[in-house]
Amino acid sequence: EAQVTQNPRYLITVTGKKLTVTCSQNMNHEYMSWYRQDPGLGLRQIYYSMNVEVTDKGDVPEGYKVSRKEKRNFPLILESPSPNQTSLYFCASSWGLTPYEQYFGPGTRLTVT
Amino acid sequence: DQQVKQNSPSLSVQEGRISILNCDYTNSMFDYFLWYKKYPAEGPTFLISISSIKDKNEDGRFTVFLNKSAKHLSLHIVPSQPGDSAVYFCAASEMNRDDKIIFGKGTRLHILP
Repeated sequence: EAQVTQNPRYLITVTGKKLTVTCSQNMNHEYMSWYRQDPGLGLRQIYYSMNVEVTDKGDVPEGYKVSRKEKRNFPLILESPSPNQTSLYFCASSWGLTPYEQYFGPGTRLTVT
Repeated sequence: DQQVKQNSPSLSVQEGRISILNCDYTNSMFDYFLWYKKYPAEGPTFLISISSIKDKNEDGRFTVFLNKSAKHLSLHIVPSQPGDSAVYFCAASEMNRDDKIIFGKGTRLHILP
């Protein structure tokens, strides 16, 4: 089954404690991206990657890091999480080098206290 | 600076009638537009897209219209069904420049029985 998986689905952590949210897709997609969804703000793109070792900033990259060492995986790293990073995070992937029709993961709800 | 605007946070439509969701954008360089649908506790799902070289694209009950001079697009759902109740996000990208994608804040559609 074609899918994008994210782990963990729910996470509560404390300020400053490094964390990684994993994202994996099994569709051999080139393009992968991370978004955060906040009430009243919709979906905002954090980082995206057009291929292995190619990443670029989206609209809200501050406080986040990503890496793309393998085509299928695109982890999101929060080196020192802060409460304003409490949000619902989505990973997505799409065929080709552009954000055409993307497949989204189920989301990761992160709470930073 | 909100480049993609969905000015109606919510919309209620009788089952069987037409639902019209609107989206405005400010960046005249956007050349690709997409609509996504999102149910609670799930990731967004791609619905339909349109390139700036077209003014209409149809897929079953869903039609997207693009008015470039007005920088406006709309999604028509005919006839509306109960399963259409969801949040709808409009998104836009400037494919010739980079591969960022900008989402609107979403419109919650309620289909009334």
